[in-house]
Formats: sequence, structure tokens, C-alpha cells
Amino acid sequence: DAKTTQPPSMDCAEGRAANLPCNHSTISGNEYVYWYRQIHSQGPQYIIHGLKNNETNEMASLIITEDRKSSTLTLPHATLRDTAVYYCILTGTASKLTFGTGTRLQVTL
Amino acid sequence: EAQVTQNPRYLITVTGKKLTVTCSQNMNHEYMSWYRQDPGLGLRQIYYSMNVEVTDKGDVPEGYKVSRKEKRNFPLILESPSPNQTSLYFCASSPRTPYSNQPQHFGDGTRLSIL
Repeated sequence: DAKTTQPPSMDCAEGRAANLPCNHSTISGNEYVYWYRQIHSQGPQYIIHGLKNNETNEMASLIITEDRKSSTLTLPHATLRDTAVYYCILTGTASKLTFGTGTRLQVTL
Repeated sequence: EAQVTQNPRYLITVTGKKLTVTCSQNMNHEYMSWYRQDPGLGLRQIYYSMNVEVTDKGDVPEGYKVSRKEKRNFPLILESPSPNQTSLYFCASSPRTPYSNQPQHFGDGTRLSIL
């Protein structure tokens, strides 16, 4: 499976936009970009996914570059409750999913 | 309420004593999967199932067994647990296989300690 690269940690002030990058330079044409987050040791929570168009839902926005080699998850107004580990993963023809170590987002006052 | 339920949530046991972690989903999902999570290693897939009676190995299947006799249940079996299987385990399900544009729903996790 293609792999993703994310920064290990990021900080964001409460109320500001949190922009989390993900590199996936070897992505295949049929692979989706998914984002999940994990708060403490709870089960990962689905956030958003996309194939090649930008996506938005009530939680976040996802921008995928035109060449699909990278993407950015945006939480428009981060709150303390958004402090979590954020995972960017790819899904494709394989039925296995590979989670990396993600980005630990710390939202501060 | 749509959910994935794992039991037990916590278990401390001893080496060699067979144990089963149950996973049940009430969403009629075809795809189910087990992960383990260890510090610094993220989530690693143990086994997955595309449908009833169809299971396959993930990245770290050694020491584990699974079965999928019914669509809603996907138990994880440790026949002879060892201390290196001490971990946080998650079960997940999705309507179909991941590549068909369907997110996974995760359970709340099972923390196993093997002494």
C-alpha cells in the first residue's frame, strides 16, 4: 500500500484554523485520502475523505492538490476538544489499511 | 444507535490462558477488522474480514485467530497469549471494503495486559 508522511506534532491556538499536512507522493489513481483522529486512547473517529476534489463537512475541510501527491486537513476554528492524534491514510485496491503514527495536534488557549 | 461493541474493555490475564475478545456491530456491515495499537507504532492491522466466512491476514497476524460465522460478529482469539500481545485493541467495521469509499467505524477499544 502507498504510505503517507505527516509531521509528528503541531500546535494551534484555540479559535484559529488548524492546517494539518499529509504527503502521499506514491498515491495511485484509485486511492482515497482518509482522515481520522484519535482522542486519548479512544477508538479512531472518521473525519473526512476525498479522491481528487476538495471536500467539506461539518467537522473539517480537505484540500487535495491537483497532482494528488499531498493534502491538507483544515479544522476551521480549533477548540481544546480537537486536541488529538490525526491520521492521514490511503485506501485503494488492497483491503488492508495502514495507519502511520499520525500528527499530534495540541490546541492551546 | 449504530455502534461497534467490544468486550471486555479491560483484561489482565496470564501467559498461556486462552482468551477471546468479542466484537459486534449492529450496522449490517460486510467488512470488519482488528487492529492493535502500541506506543510509537500507530495502529497495525491484525486480521480483516470481507464478509461472512472470508478472513485474511493483516500486517501482524502472528499469535491471533479470528472467525466470521455471522455478519455482525468478529471475535479475536488469542490461543496462547504472551506478554508481547499486551496492547490496546480496536475492532472496526465498514459497509464494504475500504476502497469502496466507505469510512470505518471503530469500537472503544480493549486494553489487554498479559503477565
